[in-house]
Amino acid sequence: QKEVEQDPGPLSVPEGAIVSLNCTYSNSAFQYFMWYRQYSRKGPELLMYTYSSGNKEDGRFTAQVDKSSKYISLFIRDSQPSDSATYLCAMSGNFNKFYFGSGTKLNVKP
Amino acid sequence: DVKVTQSSRYLVKRTGEKVFLECVQDMDHENMFWYRQDPGLGLRLIYFSYDVKMKEKGDIPEGYSVSREKKERFSLILESASTNQTSMYLCATTTGQGGQPQHFGDGTRLSIL
Repeated sequence: QKEVEQDPGPLSVPEGAIVSLNCTYSNSAFQYFMWYRQYSRKGPELLMYTYSSGNKEDGRFTAQVDKSSKYISLFIRDSQPSDSATYLCAMSGNFNKFYFGSGTKLNVKP
Repeated sequence: DVKVTQSSRYLVKRTGEKVFLECVQDMDHENMFWYRQDPGLGLRLIYFSYDVKMKEKGDIPEGYSVSREKKERFSLILESASTNQTSMYLCATTTGQGGQPQHFGDGTRLSIL
């Protein structure tokens, strides 16, 4: 079983829709949770970073962590064609080892 | 903003060649990482370094070596390139504090012919 599971998609939505991206994990020691956006032929760009459970909002993006369910989510409100990219979740414990999901490809149609 | 610069965006080499990929960061971060990214396999850690001249093997170190002579620079070396090393290579950095997020460069797309 993989440490981090993420649906690869692709996920196709109309412009303006609310997008929900999710990851599940198995290791209860994970405390730090990240979401990255990766455009085609570019490196991953850090979008959101959260510690432990709870919500964090930044503009149109909201990251949610439920440690009891071992489930994290990224919500994108009022999605735009420029949000079309692959979204990677990542997580770590107290040490510098990171575990990544395989990425969900999102397409926002104008 | 953290800036992580990889020396080449695209590189084409031949089998058996020795290949050097360079990564430079400008944020005085202690930790630097090399990953490869392949469709369906996600990101896989090759090597990481937590200090100058210090290195640790990741999950797939075979066929690779690394060098960190200065804090800001981390090099990945393919000793004798093979076609199965065709991939996207990503460099990342973090501070020395546990749990801090990684920052990535734009990647080097390497093709071995």
